[in-house]
Amino acid sequence: QVQLVQSGAEVKKPGASVKVSCKASGYTFTSYGISWVRQAPGQGLEWMGWISAYNGNTNYAQKLQGRVTMTTDTSTSTAYMELRSLRSDDTAVYYCARGERRGVADYWGQGTLVTVSS
Amino acid sequence: SYVLTQPPSVSVAPGKTARITCGGNNIGSKSVHWYQQKPGQAPVLVIYYDSDRPSGIPERFSGSNSGNTATLTISRVEAGDEADYYCQVWDSSSDHPDVVFGGGTKLTVL
Repeated sequence: QVQLVQSGAEVKKPGASVKVSCKASGYTFTSYGISWVRQAPGQGLEWMGWISAYNGNTNYAQKLQGRVTMTTDTSTSTAYMELRSLRSDDTAVYYCARGERRGVADYWGQGTLVTVSS
Repeated sequence: SYVLTQPPSVSVAPGKTARITCGGNNIGSKSVHWYQQKPGQAPVLVIYYDSDRPSGIPERFSGSNSGNTATLTISRVEAGDEADYYCQVWDSSSDHPDVVFGGGTKLTVL
């Protein structure tokens, strides 16, 4: 069965960086892309971007351009999302999801809480 | 940027039909996807490409999209349907194509 397992919760100081991992199993990793979506406490869903696991092509949300980098390691079927220059409003649960560049995401990870606090 | 507007809340009695709308400029020309999210859980895809259902999603869930409004319809509502629902589209109308989510609708089963 398709599974996406994310790394554990992180606490970071403002200005630091965080890198969240997402290990996929149960399907051919390079046949799909990985989307990243975040959700601030009590708020809605925010799309962060997408990466092709086939060729590494990316599409980042304009709001995060320059602060976010998405990568994949096909040897371990793992996707990564790094967010730099963290601010308090980056505090959120970060989700990875198997999906298409145009948004539809059919399997989701369990989420990773990133807390940014001094 | 493209804006999707959802009602903050919808209430429905068990066994009745719930309709959750998602408004956007000429949304009928775009493909709409819908997600269900229960408290403390990851979202679940319930409708994709306007009206298709993933395997495992009950037939009670259906979708439509025309003009400026897309609609998620849940028939014979059950207590277990209580959740937040989000619509999503791909906006290619600007110089920087983006995926856009609606603000979400909290479905309360009375």
